[in-house]
Amino acid sequence: QVQLVQSGAEVKKPGASVKVSCKASGYTFTSYDINWVRQATGQGLEWMGWMNPNSGNTGYAQKFQGRVTMTRNTSISTAYMELSSLRSEDTAVYYCARLSSSWTDFDYWGQGTLVTVSS
Amino acid sequence: NFMLTQPHSVSESPGKTVTISCTRSSGSIASNYVQWYQQRPGSSPTTVIYEDNQRPSGVPDRFSGSIDSSSNSASLTISGLKTEDEADYYCQSYDSSNGVFGGGTKLTVL
Repeated sequence: QVQLVQSGAEVKKPGASVKVSCKASGYTFTSYDINWVRQATGQGLEWMGWMNPNSGNTGYAQKFQGRVTMTRNTSISTAYMELSSLRSEDTAVYYCARLSSSWTDFDYWGQGTLVTVSS
Repeated sequence: NFMLTQPHSVSESPGKTVTISCTRSSGSIASNYVQWYQQRPGSSPTTVIYEDNQRPSGVPDRFSGSIDSSSNSASLTISGLKTEDEADYYCQSYDSSNGVFGGGTKLTVL
């Protein structure tokens, strides 16, 4: 069965960086794009960007350009999202999600990783 | 760039039908497929409608989706409401290759 398992919760100070991992299993990792979505407590979903695990090509939301980097390690079927220059407003649950074969919906999601930014 | 606007909350009684709207601010709603996600508290979102009106396997046919070009909006309709349908619902579409989410609608079934 398809699973996306994310790394554990993180606490970071303002100005630091965080790197969240998303390990895929149950399918061919390089065949489906991975997207990242975040959700602040009590707020809605916010799309951050996508990565093609085969080519490594990426696309980021304008809001995060220059601060976010999405990478992968195909040998261990793992995608990564690194966010730098953290501020308190970045406190949120970060999700990885697989883009379906129809290239429309996100058909599988990770369990989410809480990133708390606090001094 | 466009925005997707949803009502903040809706409520309805068990057994009734509820419709949640999602209005696109610019450009045609028909230009890009609309998806709908259900998110229960403490859980990751799951797809209930994709490509405007398609249901993933396992989603009951009580859930249906549509788009209306005259109002430039998409709609999620849930009939025969059950208490288990109480959740947040998000519409989602694309602006070129960028994902766009609506602000979400809290559905209360009371």
